[in-house]
Amino acid sequence: TQLLEQSPQFLSIQEGENLTVYCNSSSVFSSLQWYRQEPGEGPVLLVTVVTGGEVKKLKRLTFQFGDARKDSSLHITAAQPGDTGLYLCAALRGATNKLIFGTGTLLAVQP
Amino acid sequence: NAGVMQNPRHLVRRRGQEARLRCSPMKGHSHVYWYRQLPEEGLKFMVYLQKENIIDESGMPKERFSAEFPKEGPSILRIQQVVRGDSAAYFCASSPAGAPTGELFFGEGSRLTVL
Repeated sequence: TQLLEQSPQFLSIQEGENLTVYCNSSSVFSSLQWYRQEPGEGPVLLVTVVTGGEVKKLKRLTFQFGDARKDSSLHITAAQPGDTGLYLCAALRGATNKLIFGTGTLLAVQP
Repeated sequence: NAGVMQNPRHLVRRRGQEARLRCSPMKGHSHVYWYRQLPEEGLKFMVYLQKENIIDESGMPKERFSAEFPKEGPSILRIQQVVRGDSAAYFCASSPAGAPTGELFFGEGSRLTVL
């Protein structure tokens, strides 16, 4: 069983549409991160959310941390082809605080 | 201001050979992590190292895989007697000591193909 489940697994939309991807867990986290990975590259950190209920905006991207700090969502407004990539949520786990990644959402934005 | 450097970017090995993947962390970073990724999947944690010390190797297969981060030089992920199932992208990430929320900086990965 995956600690961090992301949905949907795949998403293909047209340029200009809005979308939301989700990251869910039964565990509580002190913080949660979102990364984007483009083909052939390593993941790049987009945002870290720390406080339950927190909302952070990064241009057309809106990130929310659930009130109970068990889940998070990423909403993209007016998607563009440049938003295409693999979106990964991640959280610290275990006594050594290693970073564990979610299952990922692969987004394709068609022009 | 170089980021995390990984080499080689692409490596082809035949079954039974050894693969060595190298990672130089960002300047000033003393924590290194290795992850493995299959196509269109998330990243699977393998090992977490500090200089001369393995902190957490709970994601490493028990056999054939080893990792080190010596006092001088890059971190090395070593895979002995490779099999086709080892084909994957291996990513290295680094962080400064004591990063409170654990943000990692990733290299561009090393893609291993086992023939």
